[in-house]
Amino acid sequence: DAKTTQPTSMDCAEGRAANLPCNHSTISGNEYVYWYRQIHSQGPQYIIHGLKNNETNEMASLIITEDRKSSTLILPHATLRDTAVYYCIAVNAGNNRKLIWGLGTSLAVNP
Amino acid sequence: GAVVSQHPSWVICKSGTSVKIECRSLDFQATTMFWYRQFPKQSLMLMATSNEGSKATYEQGVEKDKFLINHASLTLSTLTVTSAHPEDSSFYICSARDRGRGTEAFFGQGTRLTVV
Repeated sequence: DAKTTQPTSMDCAEGRAANLPCNHSTISGNEYVYWYRQIHSQGPQYIIHGLKNNETNEMASLIITEDRKSSTLILPHATLRDTAVYYCIAVNAGNNRKLIWGLGTSLAVNP
Repeated sequence: GAVVSQHPSWVICKSGTSVKIECRSLDFQATTMFWYRQFPKQSLMLMATSNEGSKATYEQGVEKDKFLINHASLTLSTLTVTSAHPEDSSFYICSARDRGRGTEAFFGQGTRLTVV
């Protein structure tokens, strides 16, 4: 499974867009990019995933570069409740789709 | 989204005793469930993958006789920490994959185990 690299921490002002980058330069053609977040002392929450095309749902947008070597998760209007650790994971479509977790990005949304 | 319920949310037990943690998929069938352990300020570490009706597959370094996993039905998997010791204190999290919905996994709330 491809390794992903994320900044350790980021800050964002409440109400502004939060753009969280992720590098996955060794991603292979059948690996999806998944984003999860974990609020302190809770289980992770699924946010969004994609393969090649940009994706949007009620929580966020996912922008994947054309070469698929990096992606950006966008929270369009961050709130205080979006403060969490955000994980970007490359998931093989086979292999029981095991998730290999890095340390993620700790996002602090400030009032 | 699909709901995964994990019970208990927290447990304190004495050293040497066993603790059972349940993970249920409430509104979907989960052929595959995953068990993770997370120490403070660290990421999730996969312990084992369990498929309904078959033996769990443990990750390297995880003792299968210490962490007993049972996945007897499509909606329930259990993790039993046997003869718990203080170093087993951790946050245990399960996840389940909805076989009808494809690739994303849904997570339980986690169980905080403290062994005293």
